[in-house]
Amino acid sequence: RKEVEQDPGPFNVPEGATVAFNCTYSNSASQSFFWYRQDCRKEPKLLMSVYSSGNEDGRFTAQLNRASQYISLLIRDSKLSDSATYLCVVNRGGSYIPTFGRGTSLIVHP
Amino acid sequence: GAVVSQHPSWVICKSGTSVKIECRSLDFQATTMFWYRQFPKQSLMLMATSNEGSKATYEQGVEKDKFLINHASLTLSTLTVTSAHPEDSSFYICSAAGTSGPHPSTDTQYFGPGTRLTVL
Repeated sequence: RKEVEQDPGPFNVPEGATVAFNCTYSNSASQSFFWYRQDCRKEPKLLMSVYSSGNEDGRFTAQLNRASQYISLLIRDSKLSDSATYLCVVNRGGSYIPTFGRGTSLIVHP
Repeated sequence: GAVVSQHPSWVICKSGTSVKIECRSLDFQATTMFWYRQFPKQSLMLMATSNEGSKATYEQGVEKDKFLINHASLTLSTLTVTSAHPEDSSFYICSAAGTSGPHPSTDTQYFGPGTRLTVL
């Protein structure tokens, strides 16, 4: 099993839709989790950290399920500008060394 | 957010030459810097982790003699691709994390804009 797994997609959704991505991780000792967004041929940008209690920032909600070892990202009221690749990042257990998922591609169309 | 710069943003070189890429944290002190490589349509692959003042820790399969990393100060790390070959052509990205400045968190990384290397 890969350390961090994501469905590569693409997810094609209309504007205004709600879309959710999951990311599973294999190391149960991992403590830090993040979602990054990467646009084509650009560097990743931090979208949000994922806390045990969940985290919400506007239209974006992130959740952590330790028992099942996955994190999720929910995007409400999708905008065209949300089109990007969403990267799941999990720090290795007991360290700050990150492992990136392959990314999930989201395409929001009019 | 915290600002990380990279230079150059792109470089084209002949096979056999060495290329140096700089990564700077502009508004915080980066105790740790990471170097990644990303091939088209693939995920970021961590190459090495460097802490200021100590030797870099390389990921398995990454040749330390080919990819020289220097993290001489809390705001600068360099990656030198020695004797570059066409298969080294890739998008190289650095990130930085620190415990000082406006974003004190060793967990959260901030990425530079990347350097696109093309070796002919």
